[in-house]
Amino acid sequence: AQTVTQSQPEMSVQEAETVTLSCTYDTSENNYYLFWYKQPPSRQMILVIRQEAYKQQNATENRFSVNFQKAAKSFSLKISDSQLGDTAMYFCAFAAYSGAGSYQLTFGKGTKLSVIP
Amino acid sequence: KAGVTQTPRYLIKTRGQQVTLSCSPISGHRSVSWYQQTPGQGLQFLFEYFSETQRNKGNFPGRFSGRQFSNSRSEMNVSTLELGDSALYLCASSPSGGAGANVLTFGAGSRLTVL
Repeated sequence: AQTVTQSQPEMSVQEAETVTLSCTYDTSENNYYLFWYKQPPSRQMILVIRQEAYKQQNATENRFSVNFQKAAKSFSLKISDSQLGDTAMYFCAFAAYSGAGSYQLTFGKGTKLSVIP
Repeated sequence: KAGVTQTPRYLIKTRGQQVTLSCSPISGHRSVSWYQQTPGQGLQFLFEYFSETQRNKGNFPGRFSGRQFSNSRSEMNVSTLELGDSALYLCASSPSGGAGANVLTFGAGSRLTVL
């Protein structure tokens, strides 16, 4: 079974600063996908960034980038130039093939990020 | 393009009752997954439907069931409600497979409170 661990329940960052959220996972799979999802107070889960395990290059999406260390099973999210709208719960998630054409997400417990004006 | 629509957004039930939640996926999406979110357990996978067939199921008791219709709309049902079933139930859709190569698009969720 896969597990995802987010060791920082809460974090805060000053507006315009940079913050890094940590995530580690455990799996015996070699092919899998990793995600960071954002859940603002409105509850809508929104994809922030995705990483394919077979790609060595770290994914980036505008102000969001990841540091993917496959051997260490680490997948941290860096948010640059933090904005007030970045305030949300951030979930790290892992997906691997589970048969019959299906994948399923295993989520971490989340990190509550507060951006301070 | 309309997103994933979940109804109802909020509902209150009492122990022992049953509840049905509905999810309309993005047009063209054939896979629908359901997740339960609670403060204690976090987000947990319930099941995934594709072309009206359940092809993956999480570790939940048989009181939790679902189905998918020919138009890809999905419903989940919880029978004999318990206090611990109070949660946010999230539905997500994708074009074909579940998470992975396909990115899941989530709905806003249905907040169930069991009294």
